[in-house]
Formats: sequence, C-alpha cells, structure tokens
Amino acid sequence: DIQMTQSPSTLSASVGDRVTITCRASQSISDWLAWYQQKPGKAPKLLIYKASTLESGVPSRFSGSGSGTEFTLTISSLQPDDFATYYCQQYNDYWTFGQGTKVEIK
Amino acid sequence: QVQLQESGPGLVKLSETLSLTCIVSGGSINSYYWTWIRQPAGKGLEWIGRIYASSGNTNYNPSLKSRVSMSVDMSKDQFSLMLTSVTAADTAMYYCARERELLRGDAFDIWGQGTMVTVSS
Repeated sequence: DIQMTQSPSTLSASVGDRVTITCRASQSISDWLAWYQQKPGKAPKLLIYKASTLESGVPSRFSGSGSGTEFTLTISSLQPDDFATYYCQQYNDYWTFGQGTKVEIK
Repeated sequence: QVQLQESGPGLVKLSETLSLTCIVSGGSINSYYWTWIRQPAGKGLEWIGRIYASSGNTNYNPSLKSRVSMSVDMSKDQFSLMLTSVTAADTAMYYCARERELLRGDAFDIWGQGTMVTVSS
C-alpha cells in the first residue's frame, strides 16, 4: 500500500496569506497526484490533477507542484471561500488519500 | 453537465449487506470508470472500488475485496455497490464519483453529494 502523509494537519491563516500544504508518498508515484477541497457537509471537489494541472473552473490562486514522493499545494492569496479541508490523493497504484489538512481562520 | 446521485438505506443491521446505487444523469455512463469512496464522520477518505461501465470490469480495495461487489445497469444509467457482513466500522458517508479519463487510473472529477449509512445492532 502507498501511504500518503500530509502536513500540517491544521493550518491557521488569514485572508490574503500565502498557504502551502505538503503531501508525502511512501514510495514514488511519479506525478499521479490530485488535490481536493472539501467543505463541511459537502463532497470533495477536484482542484488539481497530475500534480500540477488545474481543473477547469478552479481559481488560478491554487497551484500544485512536485513529483516522486513530495508534493505541495499552494494558495497564493487565501480567500474567505478557501477555508476548508484539503486532501491529496495518489493514483499511481490504486487510490489512497492523505489524512487531510484543515485550513482555518486565524 | 453530468450529475451523480446516491441512494439506498440509511440504516443497515450488523452483519447484513449494504446496498447503494448511483444514478448518472446529464451524460453517458459509457466509457468511464465509476467509483465508490467512503468517509467516516470526522475522518479521511477511503477508496472502495471502481467499475468500467462498458465491460463491467472491476477493481476493489484489497482491504475490502472479500466483502465488496459492484455492478452496472447501463439501461438505467446506474451502478451499484454491495458490501457484505457489515460492522460498525462500515458506518460512513458513501460517495460515488467518476474518474476523469479512461486511459489509466485517474483522479475523480465528478462526485455525488453522498449518502450516510449507519450500521446498527
């Protein structure tokens, strides 16, 4: 099994802040990595796939980078709508998710 | 645009079988892999398995494989999940979703709203 580990688990930030979330894979997954945003009571929403490709309709303040075992999701300027939980997901070998990073208001 | 809607009993008795259906609307069920994911309250996401509509080909999470089966009914544009011998650990929100592209395993670009299933004794 490929394990995905996100850090931090919780992040406190203010509107306008630059925010970075890290995701590490237990073995190389090339760039087969996605990022999702989930708000309370809602289904996850795909933000980024193939490590750095922005899903259609997702604001350009979201970006992804990395390959192999280390990946990052960056929000360049945090907006009120961005307070949510973010999950990374590998799809190199089956599908597994990170444990999530909650972005909360500072 | 394609929409997904899960349905099924919200309460399942211990050791019985959980059965859920996902209806695909606004687009074709053909030529995509359709998947099930679950999320216990306050916890993370777990991939359950997937089915290719056109062939019925399936892949299951190895940790659940002995208890999971999936099927598709193309005439009704729907696919289904069965999970046998449920325990309290199967209590979760269950989501259906679509894989982006067919060529290889991919991310999930369309999700249903989810349906809560509670296992009761």
